[in-house]
Amino acid sequence: DAGVTQSPTHLIKTRGQHVTLRCSPISGHKSVSWYQQVLGQGPQFIFQYYEKEERGRGNFPDRFSARQFPNYSSELNVNALLLGDSALYLCASSLVTPSYEQYFGPGTRLTVT
Amino acid sequence: AQTVTQSQPEMSVQEAETVTLSCTYDTSESDYYLFWYKQPPSRQMILVIRQEAYKQQNATENRFSVNFQKAAKSFSLKISDSQLGDAAMYFCAYMDFGNEKLTFGTGTRLTIIP
Repeated sequence: DAGVTQSPTHLIKTRGQHVTLRCSPISGHKSVSWYQQVLGQGPQFIFQYYEKEERGRGNFPDRFSARQFPNYSSELNVNALLLGDSALYLCASSLVTPSYEQYFGPGTRLTVT
Repeated sequence: AQTVTQSQPEMSVQEAETVTLSCTYDTSESDYYLFWYKQPPSRQMILVIRQEAYKQQNATENRFSVNFQKAAKSFSLKISDSQLGDAAMYFCAYMDFGNEKLTFGTGTRLTIIP
């Protein structure tokens, strides 16, 4: 079975631009969470979605938004990119919520110049 | 708010030896989970071991075991018979019972010396 997949693997954007990151959960998993991992730090929680509804939100500005689709895939959108948004963005999926069994994807490396 | 502290930015161990990574956390909750995740250069976060706070028995997964001290809010990871493939960043993480949000520490980079 395929694990959690994320696209793109990496990308480079310019300050002020918009970016969309995508995540496909493990087949059958209905919960998706997003994390931001700045270089040298541990991941920080951004959002959790379950059955297309937002179930949790971390301490991130409104420039960050997300949504979940009927097939449980998810998008993370970031507007008006700042240099500080450069990070590895990780997606995790779980079968149900809450769940202590979360499976992470390989991440998307975003560089903002 | 819950916090997780890893005070060892880097650790190294000889192959086949034993190493212990430290983690402390702060919470006012009584029911929660603690985790150790491994992040190799491939970047994918891999679950190493999980501990439920209500269980007094320390979790063990093959060469990996934890020392969970609830009163001291301490959760260390012991890796026995270290192998080259164990080299990675190790993150300690906390999750409230009933809440899927993970709170991570800053990580410990483990190097295995052949």
